Amino acid sequence: SQTIHQWPATLVQPVGSPLSLECTVEGTSNPNLYWYRQAAGRGLQLLFYSVGIGQISSEVPQNLSASRPQDRQFILSSKKLLLSDSGFYLCAWGGAGGNTEAGANVLTFGAGSRLTVL
Amino acid sequence: RKEVEQDPGPFNVPEGATVAFNCTYSNSASQSFFWYRQDCRKEPKLLMSVYSSGNEDGRFTAQLNRASQYISLLIRDSKLSDSATYLCVVKTGGFKTIFGAGTRLFVKA
Repeated sequence: SQTIHQWPATLVQPVGSPLSLECTVEGTSNPNLYWYRQAAGRGLQLLFYSVGIGQISSEVPQNLSASRPQDRQFILSSKKLLLSDSGFYLCAWGGAGGNTEAGANVLTFGAGSRLTVL
Repeated sequence: RKEVEQDPGPFNVPEGATVAFNCTYSNSASQSFFWYRQDCRKEPKLLMSVYSSGNEDGRFTAQLNRASQYISLLIRDSKLSDSATYLCVVKTGGFKTIFGAGTRLFVKA
């Protein structure tokens, strides 16, 4: 079965420090991978998605970047964190699931990384 | 206009009640529709997909109206364990999956 791992689970970083969040998927190949952010009390905001190694699409211009160095690895980075970067970061993978009418790309999320920037 | 809009919460209902959540989406070319459940400080998890003909899973019923660009979720015989935030989710063309802001449900004894 497929599993998705994210780490670290929790981190507290000072403003201006770098960031690296990792996500890996097991049990599937060539998944579509996603990074979402959820600010406190808010909905999920799509940050990046990737359909293959080295292929990154950015949805929101900001000081974050993403990379996909391997098929099942997705990394979210920042060179200098801002206070507004605080939030709950969720990695997800999309694959076939459920009824064919719903199509592929039902998203399954990792447990998330909770970032507090001080 | 937001791409996916949901009822503002929270909904406070007694155990055993029936509660309905509504959701509208703006992109008429949207292809797939889902309801996710998110518990406090946890990741969202798929509750059910929404099919054109409507579908039911136990106490949960989902409906889709493509003409009105409207999705609903009905929960019958609410349980305490149903307390959570319910997210309306729409997949547009390509690979974008858009989440609504969510509706919080509190079921009380």
